[in-house]
Amino acid sequence: AQSVAQPEDQVNVAEGNPLTVKCTYSVSGNPYLFWYVQYPNRGLQFLLKYITGDNLVKGSYGFEAEFNKSQTSFHLKKPSALVSDSALYFCAVRDVNTDKLIFGTGTRLQVFP
Amino acid sequence: NAGVTQTPKFRILKIGQSMTLQCTQDMNHNYMYWYRQDPGMGLKLIYYSVGAGITDKGEVPNGYNVSRSTTEDFPLRLELAAPSQTSVYFCASTVLATGELFFGEGSRLTVL
Repeated sequence: AQSVAQPEDQVNVAEGNPLTVKCTYSVSGNPYLFWYVQYPNRGLQFLLKYITGDNLVKGSYGFEAEFNKSQTSFHLKKPSALVSDSALYFCAVRDVNTDKLIFGTGTRLQVFP
Repeated sequence: NAGVTQTPKFRILKIGQSMTLQCTQDMNHNYMYWYRQDPGMGLKLIYYSVGAGITDKGEVPNGYNVSRSTTEDFPLRLELAAPSQTSVYFCASTVLATGELFFGEGSRLTVL
């Protein structure tokens, strides 16, 4: 069955430090992987995606993510966190064999000044 | 270009009442989705559609119905509201299976 896991409910990091938000997935075929961000009382906004090609994907606001097929992971990273990065982050996966896009439970990122 | 528009933004229902959440997109997207968001549970897929006249169940379809008579509209109907359907509902659309989703601002539903 298609699924995605975000093992951390919350990640805390000091401003200026690197951040990582973890995501692992399970699909029967090749995955399409996505990261979205949600600010309070808003809909989700697209950050980046992996479809095929380079394992390191660059996205909006300085975020990047690394696709690791052997570990079935797609962790979100940023070299230097900003207070304004504080939000709820969602990983999502689509199996190439279906049209369902399944989301993880979300990770709240808190960046402290 | 309005994107994805959801109405209403807020609604309170009594147990057993029915209502329809409206979703319209003006981007000519083929794929449309309905999700519900509960605290600590992430987004759960209720129903989705890959084009006009085609709908399919997601992870949590019970208690809901959808239709897709046009490319633009994808309404979600609750027939007999239950407290378990208290949630924030998001509609989203995309042009391709590999494309990014565009989300509406959400509809907050409370069933008392």
